Formats: sequence, structure tokens, C-alpha cells
Amino acid sequence: DSGVTQTPKHLITATGQRVTLRCSPRSGDLSVYWYQQSLDQGLQFLIQYYNGEERAKGNILERFSAQQFPDLHSELNLSSLELGDSALYFCASRGAGTGELFFGEGSRLTVL
Amino acid sequence: QQPVQSPQAVILREGEDAVINCSSSKALYSVHWYRQKHGEAPVFLMILLKGGEQKGHEKISASFNEKKQQSSLYLTASQLSYSGTYFCGTERPYGQNFVFGPGTRLSVLP
Repeated sequence: DSGVTQTPKHLITATGQRVTLRCSPRSGDLSVYWYQQSLDQGLQFLIQYYNGEERAKGNILERFSAQQFPDLHSELNLSSLELGDSALYFCASRGAGTGELFFGEGSRLTVL
Repeated sequence: QQPVQSPQAVILREGEDAVINCSSSKALYSVHWYRQKHGEAPVFLMILLKGGEQKGHEKISASFNEKKQQSSLYLTASQLSYSGTYFCGTERPYGQNFVFGPGTRLSVLP
């Protein structure tokens, strides 16, 4: 157990819809990272937050948005969903000590 | 910019050694290594911060050549449990994007 919690674990929805994925980082971790992993592909960096502020942005689509709240949990919003958005979405929090990333179990999104 | 990993895939027999390479065209602050088993989350293996410093424990170690922006992961006397996809993650100075390489799929056979 990494200490990072992601909900929901599985989500099935239709094209054009909007979903919200939620991530609770490990206690004390201020940084949250979001990654997208399509089937048998690599980890594509989407966005990073640190203590409520956006710190870095990767190849995140305009249809996607994210935020980190004062209690440090983060949400990734995906709208106008397309078939190609089907993927495993990982959230990771970063330890201040070693700097390693602790990944949640992921949210598997299926768009039909 | 995404780092490059090689090889893309490798198949080993139990007890054999393997080396996985990671390189970047940009100056790096750190290199991380993670292993992901199918259907699971990536798990941290190690981080390298200084040029040429080799870190690790037991049969998995790594090096980081800061001048060349290259890192290598060494797996010796591989075990069945080493099977999975290995990703290097790189971070540039000043906290820019933390990006992963495309991964190297390692299969260890009995």
C-alpha cells in the first residue's frame, strides 16, 4: 500500500461525457502528479501540483483540467470524452525526503 | 522531453544478467527507476542524483553519468520476480516536468 488513494478504480462511460478522477496523496506529501497510461504504453505526464499550485504541465489536452485543493487532494476532470481517452490514469505523490514518487493504484477509464 | 530507453524488450533465463539504458538530450537533475508489473502501479526502485554515483542494493543497482545524461540499471542474477516493465523517470533542474521513458519490458523465464 503506497498510501496514495485513487477513486474510482474503474469507470465506464460514453463518448461526450465528463468524469472526475480523485486522488488523495500520502499524508504530508505536498506534490501530486497525474499520468495517463494507455494500453501497454508508457506513462504520459499530464500535470503536477505543489501545495495547491500548478507547478508543471505536460501534454494535457485542453479538454482535461485538474486542481489541487487546500486539503491537498487533487481532481482530474476529463470532458467531451473520446474513445482514445480510455486509459489507466495514475496519480502519484512525492515524498519530501527521498523524492520518490508513490503511485496510487490508478483509475481505469473506459469510454464506449 | 521524454528520455530514450533501450532495449525495448529483453528475455532472460533465471540467473542471467541484464542492463537497461536511459538517456536524455537535456541536462538532468535526477534519474529515477521504477518497475511496473502488469495491471499494477509502478513501484520505485531507486533514485540517482550525482554524476557517476552508483546506487542500489543486493542484485539491482544503477549508475548515472551526469555529463552524458545517461543512466543504466543493472540486474544481476535475475529472478522470476524481476519480470515487468522498467521505466526511467527524469527530472530537469528547477522542478520541470517529471517524465518517463517508454519502458523496457523484461521477461525472466525459468
